[in-house]
Amino acid sequence: GNSVTQMEGPVTLSEEAFLTINCTYTATGYPSLFWYVQYPGEGLQLLLKATKADDKGSNKGFEATYRKETTSFHLEKGSVQVSDSAVYFCALSPGGYQKVTFGTGTKLQVIP
Amino acid sequence: DSGVTQTPKHLITATGQRVTLRCSPRSGDLSVYWYQQSLDQGLQFLIQYYNGEERAKGNILERFSAQQFPDLHSELNLSSLELGDSALYFCASSFGTYHNEQFFGPGTRLTVL
Repeated sequence: GNSVTQMEGPVTLSEEAFLTINCTYTATGYPSLFWYVQYPGEGLQLLLKATKADDKGSNKGFEATYRKETTSFHLEKGSVQVSDSAVYFCALSPGGYQKVTFGTGTKLQVIP
Repeated sequence: DSGVTQTPKHLITATGQRVTLRCSPRSGDLSVYWYQQSLDQGLQFLIQYYNGEERAKGNILERFSAQQFPDLHSELNLSSLELGDSALYFCASSFGTYHNEQFFGPGTRLTVL
């Protein structure tokens, strides 16, 4: 079956540090890949997505590249802010009527 | 604001009781998804409906059921509640099902005492 593996958190960084959250997946076919973010007390919201190999999704300074050869979709940001503190979920959508699979989430805490 | 609404925001009830959670999808979205989020289990997919029909099923207990109505709103029914059912329940919606990103509601926090 499909699966998503994320690096375990929590991840604690100082403001302006470089962020990488690793995500690898297992799936057949050509899934779409997503990063969602959940701020405290809120629901998940889409951060970025990529629908095919070598696509780069980007939003709010965050980037992730769909790497089919390494089955990865790592999230990066060059300079994090305190306001980026949240839980980040990697997810894959196989398409059709198959369910979306979410990773376990990685909590990021950015300290001033 | 995602455009997905959920009611109630908070629900406190006792073991053995039955509750109904309600979700209204974004205008134009045909798919509705239900998720359970707890500290020890993470985000668990429960069930998906598309235009009134069940499309995918996840780790949904037999005590739980859902439906999507002709106006596309959805209800999740939880019965014979146990302490372990205490969690955040999220509804999400999307236009279709094929590779579509999902838009999440703010969630209903269920506490079973």
